[in-house]
Amino acid sequence: SAVISQKPSRDICQRGTSLTIQCQVDSQVTMMFWYRQQPGQSLTLIATANQGSEATYESGFVIDKFPISRPNLTFSTLTVSNMSPEDSSIYLCSVGPSSSYEQYFGPGTRLTVT
Amino acid sequence: AQSVAQPEDQVNVAEGNPLTVKCTYSVSGNPYLFWYVQYPNRGLQFLLKYITGDNLVKGSYGFEAEFNKSQTSFHLKKPSALVSDSALYFCAVKSNNAGNMLTFGGGTRLMVKP
Repeated sequence: SAVISQKPSRDICQRGTSLTIQCQVDSQVTMMFWYRQQPGQSLTLIATANQGSEATYESGFVIDKFPISRPNLTFSTLTVSNMSPEDSSIYLCSVGPSSSYEQYFGPGTRLTVT
Repeated sequence: AQSVAQPEDQVNVAEGNPLTVKCTYSVSGNPYLFWYVQYPNRGLQFLLKYITGDNLVKGSYGFEAEFNKSQTSFHLKKPSALVSDSALYFCAVKSNNAGNMLTFGGGTRLMVKP
């Protein structure tokens, strides 16, 4: 399985600011995913990030609010822009290695917006 | 559209007793089914998957799950629960003909009491 790290592990941010979350994988992977887990809720897919192409966003999520970069096969960033308290969540990146069907998840970034 | 239902928000079981965490799903096409576990302040850990073949699949930490196509279910089981099994469990599904979209259930909190 892939080993995935995320930075920061947690942050407290002020309303109106932006935060960039980094996701690093220890092996090259084709597909990377970003999820949001709101307090006490399940996971919701924000977008799929493939290297060399624009991220594909799920319904309810837009690029202006959640811009994503995928500069190479081991790294991606998610920015949460113009934050409001409703953005307080855990943000998780995951990877889907081509050799398996399951996805593997990073430890998550716990974001609190005040 | 694909969906997952975990009908129990919480399951309580005594240590040493068998446990079952329920999951039902709906997909078009053939389902790929997964169980993940989330410990406090941690990311999701992959437990097991059903892709094809034997309906009873075994995974990490002594967990197993049974795929039942007629009942569209994929219940998670363990013969003898441990206190350390206490965590949040998520069932997830994706279709074999719908790309990489992984849909999660709402999660079930398992509480194992000594």
